[in-house]
Amino acid sequence: KAGVTQTPRYLIKTRGQQVTLSCSPISGHRSVSWYQQTPGQGLQFLFEYFSETQRNKGNFPGRFSGRQFSNSRSEMNVSTLELGDSALYLCASSLGWTSGDYNEQFFGPGTRLTVL
Amino acid sequence: AQSVAQPEDQVNVAEGNPLTVKCTYSVSGNPYLFWYVQYPNRGLQFLLKYITGDNLVKGSYGFEAEFNKSQTSFHLKKPSALVSDSALYFCAVRKAKTNAGKSTFGDGTTLTVKP
Repeated sequence: KAGVTQTPRYLIKTRGQQVTLSCSPISGHRSVSWYQQTPGQGLQFLFEYFSETQRNKGNFPGRFSGRQFSNSRSEMNVSTLELGDSALYLCASSLGWTSGDYNEQFFGPGTRLTVL
Repeated sequence: AQSVAQPEDQVNVAEGNPLTVKCTYSVSGNPYLFWYVQYPNRGLQFLLKYITGDNLVKGSYGFEAEFNKSQTSFHLKKPSALVSDSALYFCAVRKAKTNAGKSTFGDGTTLTVKP
């Protein structure tokens, strides 16, 4: 099975711009989660989607949004970029169950976003 | 609220020696516990998990972890470290029967294995 893929791998933007990151989960996985990883803050949860619905959301401003398509692919969007948004954005997929998911997550390689 | 603590930012061991990376957690009810490893410029890779059953869990690359409910710990161990084990290790917890997005990750421990 192919792993989790994320595009693009690297991105350079300037303050005030917006960006869209894409994630394709492992085939058959229905849950997709997004994380922001920075040296100072560690791994911060952004949101989780399951069956095209946002199930959980972290403590990020409304500039961060996401969506999931019927094929489980997911996108996240960051509007009005700030310098502090520079980070590695990781996507993770898991099988996902409506009654609770005991499965591990499979992570993509990440998108390295640099905001100048 | 749930939390994970990895008390050591850095662990250094010599190749061939046993290694331990510590993790303690706090969660209401039964926990699901996970260990992941991250190599430079890569995403996290799953190592092992505790869901229920035996307290000693064996995972990938010769790693194992012991679930200790009374001490709320889930330390990662390996009997003989390899230089290639050098990486960033994350412990994660979530309450049983909750979805992946409810996971809380520790801040990570950098393991350095010296030849």
